[in-house]
Amino acid sequence: AQKITQTQPGMFVQEKEAVTLDCTYDTSDPSYGLFWYKQPSSGEMIFLIYQGSYDQQNATEGRYSLNFQKARKSANLVISASQLGDSAMYFCAMSGYNQGGKLIFGQGTELSVKP
Amino acid sequence: EAQVTQNPRYLITVTGKKLTVTCSQNMNHEYMSWYRQDPGLGLRQIYYSMNVEVTDKGDVPEGYKVSRKEKRNFPLILESPSPNQTSLYFCASSLSPGTNEQYFGPGTRLTVT
Repeated sequence: AQKITQTQPGMFVQEKEAVTLDCTYDTSDPSYGLFWYKQPSSGEMIFLIYQGSYDQQNATEGRYSLNFQKARKSANLVISASQLGDSAMYFCAMSGYNQGGKLIFGQGTELSVKP
Repeated sequence: EAQVTQNPRYLITVTGKKLTVTCSQNMNHEYMSWYRQDPGLGLRQIYYSMNVEVTDKGDVPEGYKVSRKEKRNFPLILESPSPNQTSLYFCASSLSPGTNEQYFGPGTRLTVT
């Protein structure tokens, strides 16, 4: 069975510093995708970054990068130069080739950015 | 602007009164799905659709129906809502399942009394 684990219920970071949000996964699918979403207090789910299991390079999107370590089954999100607007819930998710496109979500990490 | 829209955004209703939450995407995506988000349970898939007239159950389909008559629309139907369907609902779409980002709608907060 597929599973996503986010072990940090809450995190604090000082404005302008970098922060890493942890995500580990478990799957038997040979091909899969890993995603990070941001959910601010307003409730919408905002796509941040995607990493395919066969991608050789770690994904980057602006201030977001995904530290993909396939052997360790981890897909940590790194946010550089944190901003106050980064305060939100962050969800790691996975979709496997044999799962019909279903996203499996972790429980989320609540990030608070301090001024 | 590429987007997924949902209506209504907020709904308070009573047990047993049929309702429909609409979902529409303007990206010509083939894959669409519905999720519900509940505290402590996270996001769970209700139904999904690979293309027009092709739908299938997700993890929590009981009490819900869907249809996909047009590529852009994927409504969620609650024939007889019950209080345990009080939740935050999201519609999502992607070009293809699993290997592309899924774009989420803004969410529909449903309360069933």
